[in-house]
Amino acid sequence: EDQVTQSPEALRLQEGESSSLNCSYTVSGLRGLFWYRQDPGKGPEFLFTLYSAGEEKEKERLKATLTKKESFLHITAPKPEDSATYLCAVSISNFGNEKLTFGTGTRLTIIP
Amino acid sequence: KAGVTQTPRYLIKTRGQQVTLSCSPISGHRSVSWYQQTPGQGLQFLFEYFSETQRNKGNFPGRFSGRQFSNSRSEMNVSTLELGDSALYLCASSLTGHTGTDTQYFGPGTRLTVL
Repeated sequence: EDQVTQSPEALRLQEGESSSLNCSYTVSGLRGLFWYRQDPGKGPEFLFTLYSAGEEKEKERLKATLTKKESFLHITAPKPEDSATYLCAVSISNFGNEKLTFGTGTRLTIIP
Repeated sequence: KAGVTQTPRYLIKTRGQQVTLSCSPISGHRSVSWYQQTPGQGLQFLFEYFSETQRNKGNFPGRFSGRQFSNSRSEMNVSTLELGDSALYLCASSLTGHTGTDTQYFGPGTRLTVL
């Protein structure tokens, strides 16, 4: 069965303390992996798409990487405004139709 | 460019009632997907519409249904509401709906509370 697992569930960091969030997946034929950020009471906001192992994407303090089994979201010198839930999703094919399967997210809190 | 809009933002209903939620996609986007988000289950896929046709469906009971209009706007209906239907309902739009190559952009969601 296709699965997406994110760890840790929650992470508290001091401002400026770098860390990584993990997204591991077991899917038959990855078509794409997506990272989203979600603030409380809002819809997910798109961050990155990764398609193949070895690919990396960067945006401000965030960098996403992809291997054959997992993806990491690295956060460098985070600020309080980086506090949010970070969601990982994989694109899978369902009898020729594609859909996103999401992990349950990592709730990140940056302490000033 | 306006983003995905959803109405209403908040709803309170009682068990047994039915509810209709609305979603307007980004201009030019023809695919609309619906998701249910709960603290225990996270984001779960309900269904996807493209050019007024349901193209893909998740594992939800038949009480959950939807439709799409010729202007790509979509509605989702839940009949005979149950307490467990309380959730944030999210709509996402994309150009083609091919999630392997196309990005989904989410609306702010409709918070449904069933009493």
